[in-house]
Amino acid sequence: ELQLVESGGGLVLPGRSLRLSCATSGFPFDDCPMHWVRRAPGKGLEWISGISWNSGTIRYVDAVKGRFTISRDNAKNSLYLQMNNLRPEDTAFYYCVKGQDDGWSVFDHWGQGILVTVSS
Amino acid sequence: QSVVTQPPSASGTPGQTVTISCSGSNSNIGDNTVDWYQHVPGTAPKLLIYKNNRRPSGVPDRFSGSKSGTSASLAISGLQSEDEADFYCATWDDTLHGPVFGGGTKLTVL
Repeated sequence: ELQLVESGGGLVLPGRSLRLSCATSGFPFDDCPMHWVRRAPGKGLEWISGISWNSGTIRYVDAVKGRFTISRDNAKNSLYLQMNNLRPEDTAFYYCVKGQDDGWSVFDHWGQGILVTVSS
Repeated sequence: QSVVTQPPSASGTPGQTVTISCSGSNSNIGDNTVDWYQHVPGTAPKLLIYKNNRRPSGVPDRFSGSKSGTSASLAISGLQSEDEADFYCATWDDTLHGPVFGGGTKLTVL
């Protein structure tokens, strides 16, 4: 069974850092692009970052460029998101998402999500 | 404010057909394929339609997608109460160099 399980969320002060992890199983992780998508309270889905199978292509939405870093460890079947200089507007559920192997931004499987709250 | 526009809400009664629209421009929908997602808050979002009109295995054929020019639409026939959710279109944007979601449409089954 394909699984994507996020961890590392929680309450953090503005300006601080947090690292999200996503443990995966049930599919060939090192063949697939991976992404992070978030949904803020009362708002819609927002793609924030994606990484190709070999980390050769990495993209970010403008709102997080320079603050967030996506990475992956194919030996551990894991995806990460390092979030620095967090702002209240980063408060959201963060989803680990598998991309199709023949469609970089077709999000075919999603984790349950983890809540990040940025507040003083 | 997303570069891809959806109506904020839609509704229908059980058994009806509901259509949700998604409007963009030449730099996104006009030049790329469109996918559709269903999201019940508190659960994992689900891929319903990809590459304009393809259904992943397990998605009922009540769900269908189409695209024409800079617009796309999702049709849900034989509406059921469990279809109540938020629906999002998504596509690539050539100007932003990344995927973009529409603002989402909340579907209510009356």
